[in-house]
Amino acid sequence: GAGVSQSPSNKVTEKGKDVELRCDPISGHTALYWYRQSLGQGLEFLIYFQGNSAPDKSGLPSDRFSAERTGGSVSTLTIQRTQQEDSAVYLCASSPLVTQYFGPGTRLTVL
Amino acid sequence: QKEVEQNSGPLSVPEGAIASLNCTYSDRVSQSFFWYRQYSGKSPELIMSIYSNGDKEDGRFTAQLNKASQYVSLLIRDSQPSDSATYLCAVNFGNEKLTFGTGTRLTIIP
Repeated sequence: GAGVSQSPSNKVTEKGKDVELRCDPISGHTALYWYRQSLGQGLEFLIYFQGNSAPDKSGLPSDRFSAERTGGSVSTLTIQRTQQEDSAVYLCASSPLVTQYFGPGTRLTVL
Repeated sequence: QKEVEQNSGPLSVPEGAIASLNCTYSDRVSQSFFWYRQYSGKSPELIMSIYSNGDKEDGRFTAQLNKASQYVSLLIRDSQPSDSATYLCAVNFGNEKLTFGTGTRLTIIP
């Protein structure tokens, strides 16, 4: 079946602009995660959604970052007033229980 | 703070040899363990999961778990150049989230 999809695959923006990144999880997966990966670095947890529960936002680096998940499916990660240090690959993963399956990621470049 | 530790490498292994990747974790109540492979410029893909002490084999890959010593390892037999990647260890510490190590970069030398 279809895997996790993310859009756009690449995003170039100017410092100070807002960006929205989208994630479509695998159908039926109740959990959805967002991670950030800077060049040559490990995965940095950002936020976790599980069903209808309140999201775990403990990894969001600042209040410029927010995410929502509509209808328990598609999720959007929004970064306001982007900074150059926000440049990274943003990965989404979905999970039916514990095992996570990753999307291809969105490469964000802030000029 | 629950942690997952991996040697960042790079680990260089001759083609055809056995590559051994190790991971230690901080909490004895950990329930499930995962190995992901990440090629350069790509997203992580699941290789294996292991839940019980001992060995689990899948083709050329063997995961080994020792809960008493709090380590999990991945062996790759008959290493191929296509195995060159970063390998991420991930641990479930009893909730639904996974904690990832920073990964070990493996290079298979032809």
